[in-house]
Amino acid sequence: GQNIDQPTEMTATEGAIVQINCTYQTSGFNGLFWYQQHAGEAPTFLSYNVLDGLEEKGRFSSFLSRSKGYSYLLLKELQMKDSASYLCAVLTWGFKTIFGAGTRLFVKA
Amino acid sequence: GAGVSQSPRYKVAKRGQDVALRCDPISGHVSLFWYQQALGQGPEFLTYFQNEAQLDKSGLPSDRFFAERPEGSVSTLKIQRTQQEDSAVYLCASSPRGLETQYFGPGTRLLVL
Repeated sequence: GQNIDQPTEMTATEGAIVQINCTYQTSGFNGLFWYQQHAGEAPTFLSYNVLDGLEEKGRFSSFLSRSKGYSYLLLKELQMKDSASYLCAVLTWGFKTIFGAGTRLFVKA
Repeated sequence: GAGVSQSPRYKVAKRGQDVALRCDPISGHVSLFWYQQALGQGPEFLTYFQNEAQLDKSGLPSDRFFAERPEGSVSTLKIQRTQQEDSAVYLCASSPRGLETQYFGPGTRLLVL
C-alpha cells in the first residue's frame, strides 16, 4: 500500500524554529512536495525535493532522505501567519500524487 | 495570467441529485488533477488528465463519478445521484507538464443533504 505519515498537530512559539517530519512508503517516487494550506483555502506550494539533501528557501527549508523514506520541513523565525496545515505529498509513478493528512501548526505569541 | 479557477465555490445538493463542478486551469498547463478533500484530511487523488486524455482515473470512488476535459483546457467533474458521503471539498490543480508543482484552485465545497 501507499502511506504517508506526519504528526497531526504541533504547537510552537512566535520567533522559534519548528520541524515537521514526514515518512512515506509509496510505489514509485518522482519527488516530494510540501504545501501550506490555511483553513478554507487551497494548498500553496512551499518546496520540492527530488534528490537527497537540504533545500533552503528563505525561512523555509526541506530535507529529503530517499533511502529512509523521510523528509522534514523546517520553519524558522515563526510568525503568527504561519499557523496553517502543512501537507507532505509524494509524486509517484504516472503523475499520481499521494498526500499525507497534514500537520496543523499552531503558532502562539 | 489568472490562476486556477473553480465554479461554483459552494454547492448544496439534495441526495440523489446530479452535480457538475467546473475547473479552469492556468492557460497552457498540460496536466490537470482532481482531488477530494474531507475535513481535516489531505487531498485524495481522484483523476489526472494530460491534455484531453484521462490517463489515470483510479481514484474515482465509484462509477457515479465522471470527469472530462474534451478540449484539453476546461474540465468538469460530474457526480451522479449524489450521496451524503460525497460531501467534501473538490480541488482542481494544474501543472505545466505534470512533474512539477501543482497550482490549486480555491475548491468547490459540496454539501449533500
